[in-house]
Amino acid sequence: AQSVTQPDIHITVSEGASLELRCNYSYGATPYLFWYVQSPGQGLQLLLKYFSGDTLVQGIKGFEAEFKRSQSSFNLRKPSVHWSDAAEYFCAVLSLGGGYNKLIFGAGTRLAVHP
Amino acid sequence: GAVVSQHPSRVICKSGTSVKIECRSLDFQATTMFWYRQFPKQSLMLMATSNEGSKATYEQGVEKDKFLINHASLTLSTLTVTSAHPEDSSFYICSASGDRDAHYEQYFGPGTRLTVT
Repeated sequence: AQSVTQPDIHITVSEGASLELRCNYSYGATPYLFWYVQSPGQGLQLLLKYFSGDTLVQGIKGFEAEFKRSQSSFNLRKPSVHWSDAAEYFCAVLSLGGGYNKLIFGAGTRLAVHP
Repeated sequence: GAVVSQHPSRVICKSGTSVKIECRSLDFQATTMFWYRQFPKQSLMLMATSNEGSKATYEQGVEKDKFLINHASLTLSTLTVTSAHPEDSSFYICSASGDRDAHYEQYFGPGTRLTVT
């Protein structure tokens, strides 16, 4: 069955430090992968997505992610974190077939940023 | 582009009553809409998927008669929580997907906080 694992529930970094949020997926075929960010009490905003091609994907707000098939990973990175990046981050894989397609989300990683 | 709205953003209702949540795609036609439920500090759980003009497909364990979903037009889907109870209190988020050429991308609404007293 398809699944997404985000091993880190909470991460705290200092403002200006680099960031990497881990995501591992389980999916039989070539995955469609997404990273979303959720601010408190808000919906989800798409940061970036991977469908095919270049395995290093650039997103909004200075984020990037690298698809590594051999490791079944799609880790999110940012070279310098800003205080406004504090939020919940969700990795997701698109499950295709069965008449409709659906996103399968990881449990999320809550990011705190220290000044 | 690709904006999805939800109304209301917050609602408080009494136990036993029903409440309707609207999800609208403002600037595109949503052939498919999704309804999620999110408990505090947890991930999103897909409740159901609806295609315009068709019956919704519910995920395992979701009560069809309790969570009524209607997708009557390409821009509007509604979720009605019937005979609400305190355990139905949650954050409900909808998303919408348009043309398949858009790589199945889902655009999310801002969510609705439901509190049942």
